Amino acid sequence: KAGVTQTPRYLIKTRGQQVTLSCSPISGHRSVSWYQQTPGQGLQFLFEYFSETQRNKGNFPGRFSGRQFSNSRSEMNVSTLELGDSALYLCASSLAPGGAGEKLFFGSGTQLSVL
Amino acid sequence: GIQVEQSPPDLILQEGANSTLRCNFSDSVNNLQWFHQNPWGQLINLFYIPSGTKQNGRLSATTVATERYSLLYISSSQTTDSGVYFCAARPSNPGGSNYKLTFGKGTLLTVNP
Repeated sequence: KAGVTQTPRYLIKTRGQQVTLSCSPISGHRSVSWYQQTPGQGLQFLFEYFSETQRNKGNFPGRFSGRQFSNSRSEMNVSTLELGDSALYLCASSLAPGGAGEKLFFGSGTQLSVL
Repeated sequence: GIQVEQSPPDLILQEGANSTLRCNFSDSVNNLQWFHQNPWGQLINLFYIPSGTKQNGRLSATTVATERYSLLYISSSQTTDSGVYFCAARPSNPGGSNYKLTFGKGTLLTVNP
């Protein structure tokens, strides 16, 4: 069974550009969540989606957005990139909300560098 | 929102030693998970354990929900156990934007041969 797949693995952008990151969950998983990891702030929650609906959103500016498609694949977009957006962006999938179905499985992440 | 605190922040062991990592949380939870992030950045789920005790090989975890803490035990540690261990918790009360999985800052474990 394939794990969570994130693309691309590495990305270099300049300030002001926008970026789209992709996440394919484990087959059969319908929940996808996104996290930002930085040395200073640790792992911070961005969004959570289930059946194409955003269930929850973290405390990030509106430049950060996401969506989930009918096949459970998810994308997140960051517009007008800032230097502080440099981070490892992690996607996690789970079966469904509630109980042990919420056990998270993480992808390898996308390392974003903003120059 | 919920506060998740892990201790110790750093731990250095010799191969074969045992260790206990602690996770304290500030609110009642319905979701508590432990993860290991290896030196290459991959996060591996170790346990989903909102309450009770579970064991998986040399690792075991116990969550005492009424006292708001969880413990991760590593026995007979190996160099491959090195990395950062995170716990993450979600509060039981689905109150708006705070109803999210919050991660602690982690425990950096180094196991020397």
